[in-house]
Amino acid sequence: AQSVTQLGSHVSVSEGALVLLRCNYSSSVPPYLFWYVQYPNQGLQLLLKYTSAATLVKGINGFEAEFKKSETSFHLTKPSAHMSDAAEYFCAVSDDNFNKFYFGSGTKLNVKP
Amino acid sequence: KAGVTQTPRYLIKTRGQQVTLSCSPISGHRSVSWYQQTPGQGLQFLFEYFSETQRNKGNFPGRFSGRQFSNSRSEMNVSTLELGDSALYLCASSSVTGNYGYTFGSGTRLTVV
Repeated sequence: AQSVTQLGSHVSVSEGALVLLRCNYSSSVPPYLFWYVQYPNQGLQLLLKYTSAATLVKGINGFEAEFKKSETSFHLTKPSAHMSDAAEYFCAVSDDNFNKFYFGSGTKLNVKP
Repeated sequence: KAGVTQTPRYLIKTRGQQVTLSCSPISGHRSVSWYQQTPGQGLQFLFEYFSETQRNKGNFPGRFSGRQFSNSRSEMNVSTLELGDSALYLCASSSVTGNYGYTFGSGTRLTVV
């Protein structure tokens, strides 16, 4: 069975600092992994996806994530935080048929000026 | 092209009533999924439709149902509403499967009083 764990429900960084949001997955098959971002009162926007090609995946808005099979991790990073990055971030893994996503509980990112 | 459109954006219903939510996927997308988002349970999968057929279903009571029309538009219905059904209901669409990620709508905020 697939599942996702996001460590840290709240993360606070200063503007310009490194952003690191953690995601660990459990999957019975080679996983397809995703990061989504949600701004207040909005739906989810796809940031990036890992689909068994390159292990380092680049997404939108300067975010990237590295797939590490040995650590069953897919952490999201951004070298320099902007105020506009303040939002909630969700990691997700798909089922075998890619028709169902299992989401983590989310991490709210706060960016301090 | 237009994104995923969900209507209405906000709903207030009374316990015991029923409600129907609508989702229009991105043009050409044939897979439509529904998720319930609450502060306590996070994002939970309701069901997924493809070509008018339900391909996958989450662990929700039978009061939650859905359907998809020949133009790929989808509706979900909740009967005999309970206070705990208050949530943001998100619809997502994809071309065939979700292996490249789903595109989410802005959601319908349902409040049951």
